[in-house]
Amino acid sequence: DAGITQSPRHKVTETGTPVTLRCHQTENHRYMYWYRQDPGHGLRLIHYSYGVKDTDKGEVSDGYSVSRSKTEDFLLTLESATSSQTSVYFCAIRKEEDTQYFGPGTRLTVL
Amino acid sequence: QKEVEQDPGPLSVPEGAIVSLNCTYSNSAFQYFMWYRQYSRKGPELLMYTYSSGNKEDGRFTAQVDKSSKYISLFIRDSQPSDSATYLCAMSARGAQKLVFGQGTRLTINP
Repeated sequence: DAGITQSPRHKVTETGTPVTLRCHQTENHRYMYWYRQDPGHGLRLIHYSYGVKDTDKGEVSDGYSVSRSKTEDFLLTLESATSSQTSVYFCAIRKEEDTQYFGPGTRLTVL
Repeated sequence: QKEVEQDPGPLSVPEGAIVSLNCTYSNSAFQYFMWYRQYSRKGPELLMYTYSSGNKEDGRFTAQVDKSSKYISLFIRDSQPSDSATYLCAMSARGAQKLVFGQGTRLTINP
């Protein structure tokens, strides 16, 4: 158990609505990551954080924003959800020697 | 061309067989190599980690890195139906803040 929880675990929403996903860790790690996973594309990095209030973009950041006001929480926001953002979202933390440990995932459906 | 190439499969083998999973990469700066196992509807879990070249063994699993060929492998001996999952390779360079993932290989072990 990597000490990572994600909420909600499942969400169905409508196009155009804002959505916020939460990642919570209990081990005080500096680096946290948000990925999406889609068939045929594997895991793709959306945003990551290297400290409180320190974030950077990944390869698929358009349409997403993040915030990290506390070490333990990393939030992913879809400002105006689109059907192309239907996906499974994983949060991860970085531990020793670049290894990453993943949360259980959030399954998001945008209708 | 992707930085990391992994055959998505699917790969289906009988129980007890030796399984070989592979990834190739193009970035000679990669030094940290990982294999993740992902069961259906679960988050990826770290299975094996190797630094630089060489072999690493853990029970029925062996990870090999050949940096001269830019090729990594995961071998599973005496495969079991419980090994049925998607296996993702991942790697990073020293000092990099991000992992680069392969697309994942879907493996089924038939009883």
